[in-house]
Amino acid sequence: NAGVTQTPKFQVLKTGQSMTLQCAQDMNHNSMYWYRQDPGMGLRLIYYSASEGTTDKGEVPNGYNVSRLNKREFSLRLESAAPSQTSVYFCASRLTGPGNTIYFGEGSWLTVV
Amino acid sequence: QKEVEQDPGPLSVPEGAIVSLNCTYSNSAFQYFMWYRQYSRKGPELLMYTYSSGNKEDGRFTAQVDKSSKYISLFIRDSQPSDSATYLCAMSANTGGFKTIFGAGTRLFVKA
Repeated sequence: NAGVTQTPKFQVLKTGQSMTLQCAQDMNHNSMYWYRQDPGMGLRLIYYSASEGTTDKGEVPNGYNVSRLNKREFSLRLESAAPSQTSVYFCASRLTGPGNTIYFGEGSWLTVV
Repeated sequence: QKEVEQDPGPLSVPEGAIVSLNCTYSNSAFQYFMWYRQYSRKGPELLMYTYSSGNKEDGRFTAQVDKSSKYISLFIRDSQPSDSATYLCAMSANTGGFKTIFGAGTRLFVKA
């Protein structure tokens, strides 16, 4: 029972490099999310996809792009990484509706040097 | 002012103690209130979920919501070292499926 799977788990990038974080869920959820978590800041929403074919900006979208490839997969791309993007990234999903449980992946630790 | 305020701690208690974790919020539209537990180097997982005001109990855990004061609490009875984790409160409104706001999280250490 995989739930939400995200890769890679750890990555070190040089400033200006690009990379894509991959996420897949096997729970047939409509909505998918990318959050970043920084000390003292909690979880902040970067982008979300309410359903297949749609994406919208969250609280901190600058420097990121996303693709909802199909219902299962939602990727996050850093086109030109900056040290300020050093963080832990979590992919999440849930059935549509504010009261439904959000399920998180295990996290991706990204360091930009 | 943040929509959700949560004391980051850390909070250190002896095994067996009663733990009280709290969050305050400013948006009166919030109706769904959740507590997530996050172990080190893991993703958050749902611990408790409450709709609107009132109490909810699940084993050693009790969640309370006081909408009039915009204040929610999580109580842990007979705390165990395995309860050592970061606890995040979260809340959402009945307006769209995306707007779940998380607190910064409180780090809890339960000493054996």
